Amino acid sequence: EAGVVQSPRYKIIEKKQPVAFWCNPISGHNTLYWYLQNLGQGPELLIRYENEEAVDDSQLPKDRFSAERLKGVDSTLKIQPAELGDSAVYLCASSSPLTGATYNEQFFGPGTRLTVL
Amino acid sequence: AQKITQTQPGMFVQEKEAVTLDCTYDTSDPSYGLFWYKQPSSGEMIFLIYQGSYDQQNATEGRYSLNFQKARKSANLVISASQLGDSAMYFCAMRESGGTSYGKLTFGQGTILTVHP
Repeated sequence: EAGVVQSPRYKIIEKKQPVAFWCNPISGHNTLYWYLQNLGQGPELLIRYENEEAVDDSQLPKDRFSAERLKGVDSTLKIQPAELGDSAVYLCASSSPLTGATYNEQFFGPGTRLTVL
Repeated sequence: AQKITQTQPGMFVQEKEAVTLDCTYDTSDPSYGLFWYKQPSSGEMIFLIYQGSYDQQNATEGRYSLNFQKARKSANLVISASQLGDSAMYFCAMRESGGTSYGKLTFGQGTILTVHP
């Protein structure tokens, strides 16, 4: 079974430029998460989707960040314009209460490492 | 207040020895879950072990066990017979059940484990 796929793995951009990250969750997983991980820190949730609905986006900086999951499968996270402080790893995870163990573990992708110059 | 606290920025252990990574948590939710993830230098978060707040016994998964002390609000990870491949960052995380927090994982700051040959 394929895991969570993210692309690109690395991205270097100049400040004020736009950037987009893509995530394809594990097949059948209806819940998708985007996390931000700063260097040396634990991941922090940005947004959580149940199918195509964003059910928790309270931590998403909506002035510059946006996300979509139009068909309830893959998702895109966008930053426009990027700032120096956005340099971090952006992790995508997915889960499903219908598969796996009862504790509904989240499966993570390899992340996209963003560097803003 | 920090919901998840990992007080050990770094830990060292000799190969084949056991090591304990500390984690304390703070919640008023009676129903919650505690997770441990491993993050090697490649960046992917790897699920290790889970403990539910109502579980009567400490969780075990192979060489991993969780020392769950509910009254003290601690969930320490014990790795037995350490291997060189165990060298990585380890994160403790909590999932609460109430309201919009459901599904959201709150991570600690992590502990870097180094296994010496």
